[in-house]
Amino acid sequence: NAGVTQTPKFRVLKTGQSMTLLCAQDMNHEYMYWYRQDPGMGLRLIHYSVGEGTTAKGEVPDGYNVSRLKKQNFLLGLESAAPSQTSVYFCASCPLGTGYNEQFFGPGTRLTVL
Amino acid sequence: QQQVKQSPQSLIVQKGGISIINCAYENTAFDYFPWYQQFPGKGPALLIAIRPDVSEKKEGRFTISFNKSAKQFSLHIMDSQPGDSATYFCAAKGQTGANNLFFGTGTRLTVIP
Repeated sequence: NAGVTQTPKFRVLKTGQSMTLLCAQDMNHEYMYWYRQDPGMGLRLIHYSVGEGTTAKGEVPDGYNVSRLKKQNFLLGLESAAPSQTSVYFCASCPLGTGYNEQFFGPGTRLTVL
Repeated sequence: QQQVKQSPQSLIVQKGGISIINCAYENTAFDYFPWYQQFPGKGPALLIAIRPDVSEKKEGRFTISFNKSAKQFSLHIMDSQPGDSATYFCAAKGQTGANNLFFGTGTRLTVIP
């Protein structure tokens, strides 16, 4: 199993450009998440999904959109990139269940917006 | 505002020593408190987690101590090794959403030989 994979690994954008980050998981997990990681701020949840066709806002959703057309994929879009969106983006997935279930993280995408 | 406060920001420990990282929270609705470990260039990975009705959980050299009344919890790494050098994040799980986590700001641990 590949686990959680993210595409691309690195990207440089100019202000105003758009792009889509792709996350894929092969563990048949119901829940998927997009986080951003910034120095001194930990990981902050951007958007999440509880299943195919559903999405919801996290702590810092402004400037991002997401889609989950297939259970195994979760896409994060930036319509008009801004320098404040320079960050490392992590996707994660988690199985459905009671109690606490581990979130499995991808390797990250480092995005720079000039 | 940060829902989970973590300290210190960085920590240097001698090999064989004890590493201690502290976290505090305000929201009493949190119902799980995991710790994640992240190596450079990698995504975070679950290290250990505790429920609020348990005061301590130990897995090998890693122990979580939990103080529900003080709303604080900490990670203790016994016999710290150079291979433990990583960034550690505490987190708290909310009861709404989908297993959503609120993360602390992270502690960069360096274990020197």
